[in-house]
Amino acid sequence: GENVEQHPSTLSVQEGDSAVIKCTYSDSASNYFPWYKQELGKRPQLIIDIRSNVGEKKDQRIAVTLNKTAKHFSLHITETQPEDSAVYFCAAAGGTSYGKLTFGQGTILTVHP
Amino acid sequence: GAGVSQSPSNKVTEKGKDVELRCDPISGHTALYWYRQSLGQGLEFLIYFQGNSAPDKSGLPSDRFSAERTGGSVSTLTIQRTQQEDSAVYLCASSAGQGANEQFFGPGTRLTVL
Repeated sequence: GENVEQHPSTLSVQEGDSAVIKCTYSDSASNYFPWYKQELGKRPQLIIDIRSNVGEKKDQRIAVTLNKTAKHFSLHITETQPEDSAVYFCAAAGGTSYGKLTFGQGTILTVHP
Repeated sequence: GAGVSQSPSNKVTEKGKDVELRCDPISGHTALYWYRQSLGQGLEFLIYFQGNSAPDKSGLPSDRFSAERTGGSVSTLTIQRTQQEDSAVYLCASSAGQGANEQFFGPGTRLTVL
């Protein structure tokens, strides 16, 4: 089955800096890669996703890049703000996993004012 | 419109008791997923329903866990003879259409087994 590794497990940045979180996946047939943000005690919320026919996608301060050959994808947050502080999860789906998401272990992002 | 809802929000039970957790997906969503999130951990896939197809039960950790989805809508996750290691937040998600699409999560049920 699919296996997703996520790094770093914790990330601390100053407000205004950029933050980058990286994930690798094992199933070359996976074709859908979402990123979820989870605030303490809340449900995961989708912030951006990318499909395997696209190399990069941007939405305001958030971008995701995908390298299919290397089987890794990354989340980039620019001009970070304290409200970006949360746990971020990457995931992979599709291919042999069909619709079910395999999640990374999460990254605790702390943005210091 | 209404999002995914789950009940109860919290459940405390004694070891050895059975529990039932309920999920109401977004109306019209054909796919429904159950995940488990242990304290400070990532989300672990449990089971997946897609339309009228046989469910993908590959993530269920033991035969004490089962789930059903009636009428293609509401789903119930049942844990029999609960153990302390079953303590976690159980999250339900739903998505539209076939294959890999955006999944919308419910608020979860926090299960504590004493």
